[in-house]
Amino acid sequence: DADVTQTPRNRITKTGKRIMLECSQTKGHDRMYWYRQDPGLGLRLIYYSFDVKDINKGEISDGYSVSRQAQAKFSLSLESAIPNQTALYFCATSEPGRTDTQYFGPGTRLTVL
Amino acid sequence: AQSVTQPDIHITVSEGASLELRCNYSYGATPYLFWYVQSPGQGLQLLLKYFSGDTLVQGIKGFEAEFKRSQSSFNLRKPSVHWSDAAEYFCAVGGISSGSARQLTFGSGTQLTVLP
Repeated sequence: DADVTQTPRNRITKTGKRIMLECSQTKGHDRMYWYRQDPGLGLRLIYYSFDVKDINKGEISDGYSVSRQAQAKFSLSLESAIPNQTALYFCATSEPGRTDTQYFGPGTRLTVL
Repeated sequence: AQSVTQPDIHITVSEGASLELRCNYSYGATPYLFWYVQSPGQGLQLLLKYFSGDTLVQGIKGFEAEFKRSQSSFNLRKPSVHWSDAAEYFCAVGGISSGSARQLTFGSGTQLTVLP
């Protein structure tokens, strides 16, 4: 089984709808991240969480919110989706320490019409 | 602020040829450096990482990278490319722990095409 899973893998929604993307991990890592990937822009950090009680905004948090329900679960919500939020979304985890090595899920492809 | 530049958006090589993907970074202290690969429809897989010590690091799938502090570079190399190496490659830089936010900053990626 994959260490970092994301659901759904693909989602098409309409402008104005609320949508939640979910991430679960079995790696036992405290730190979790949400990124979006757009062609030519690489990955950009949306939110990150260093433990259940610690949530931080990343580079592009506007229009997004997150919830860390447990050590293993980190959800990303779009309260009112808009077309420019169409992207590939990745969840990642890492363990505390000096290495910053992150492990990624398979991604969720979101299309907002 | 840290940043990463991958100057080549797209590279095409023939199978069996050597490969070098360029990565330049900007960071005020000793960086942690990473190369990830993304195959079509897949997530990102860690190829290799550099933290300290030997500046030539070996990774999976026959890849290696060399950290050159004087050039602020961390180029990825492979002596003989296989068709299965066709993918997008991302360089990333991470910061040393300072008690504040520690993040990975990614380059924009290099798409590798392998010709038969």
